[in-house]
Formats: sequence, C-alpha cells, structure tokens
Amino acid sequence: DQQVKQNSPSLSVQEGRISILNCDYTNSMFDYFLWYKKYPAEGPTFLISISSIKDKNEDGRFTVFLNKSAKHLSLHIVPSQPGDSAVYFCAASRGTSYDKVIFGPGTSLSVIP
Amino acid sequence: KAGVTQTPRYLIKTRGQQVTLSCSPISGHRSVSWYQQTPGQGLQFLFEYFSETQRNKGNFPGRFSGRQFSNSRSEMNVSTLELGDSALYLCASSLDTWNTEAFFGQGTRLTVV
Repeated sequence: DQQVKQNSPSLSVQEGRISILNCDYTNSMFDYFLWYKKYPAEGPTFLISISSIKDKNEDGRFTVFLNKSAKHLSLHIVPSQPGDSAVYFCAASRGTSYDKVIFGPGTSLSVIP
Repeated sequence: KAGVTQTPRYLIKTRGQQVTLSCSPISGHRSVSWYQQTPGQGLQFLFEYFSETQRNKGNFPGRFSGRQFSNSRSEMNVSTLELGDSALYLCASSLDTWNTEAFFGQGTRLTVV
C-alpha cells in the first residue's frame, strides 16, 4: 500500500502557464515533505520542502502548498518553462532518517513551448 | 566540488549472477543511502550507511547487501539476480542523516536478462 501517492503519472502544460503537481499521503505521522526533480540519465535533485508546521513555502517560481487535514500537498510552478520538463517526485518523512523517507511514484511533466 | 559518483552507469547481467555497484559520496559526506527505482514505484529505500555501519534498512530481501569503507565510499551487492531486480539504483549522500541536502548520483541502470 503506497503511503505517498502521485495519481497523475504525466502532465502537459503550455509554456508560461501554471503547472500543478499533486501528492497525497496516508500517514498522518509525516512531518516533512520534499519535492525532487529528475531529468533523464540524472539523479534526482532537491527542489523545495515544507515542514508540517507551515502550509506554504515559496522559492522563486516554485511554491509548495500543504493541506494537513486533507493529507495533500501540491507543487505549483509559475510560469512553467520548457526546462522544467522532468519527473517530479514527492517525498514524505517521519523524521530525519533515510528509512523514514517515503517517495511517491513520480509525475512526468512536459512543458510545451 | 565533485558530486556523487556511481559506477558503472549501465550493467547487463543474467539471472542467478551477482552484481556489485559502487557509490562515491561527496567529499566530507558520511552518510550514503541506496534506493531502487522501478517504473510506477518511485524510489524505494534499500539501506543507509554511516561511518561504515549500516544504520537503517528497508524491506528488501537478504540478497541485497551493502557496505561502506573508511573513505565513505559504499558498495551495494545483489546476489542471485532475478528479472525483477532490473531497475535504476540510486545512491544519495549527505553530511549526516537525511536532510534537504541529500545529493543523488546519476544511478546505475541494471538490466537482468
């Protein structure tokens, strides 16, 4: 049973528009959430994170929203650029050890010029 | 500074064989973790090593093992390979335990035929 779900395997967005990637989790003990971006033939790279004490975190074009009651978080990319085309992994953590970090299956984003 | 280096990048093995993958973390990083990525399954945690000791272990069979050397380089070994072991194996390094600054290598693509 997946504890972290990304129900959209893929998403296509026009350049300049907003990309919204969604993530749902089942374990209410998760207290830290991260988004990683992965290009083909490269390892994932950290993008943005949010602690469970916040409901929003911004970093440039990237904003992550957390809705704890719904156990849902989303990543907004505004405006979307072709270079944002990648697979985005949502990850949730119950602490600071590797074994407590659970990754979602990923969403492949394509930004169309 | 140099990033996380994984070797080899690609590997083809036959069922029943064993394989050893290598990961060199970023200089100064003492924690190395290993993940398996398969389509639709996201990143699944294998194990973490810190200062030559296995600190955490995921839910993988005993055929998957690893070790870490005094220079923090880590190896992962899979014995009696099965077709289902075909995956991208990623390692991540960080200074100590899991945090937002976990850096991933490019991965080793293992194909079992």
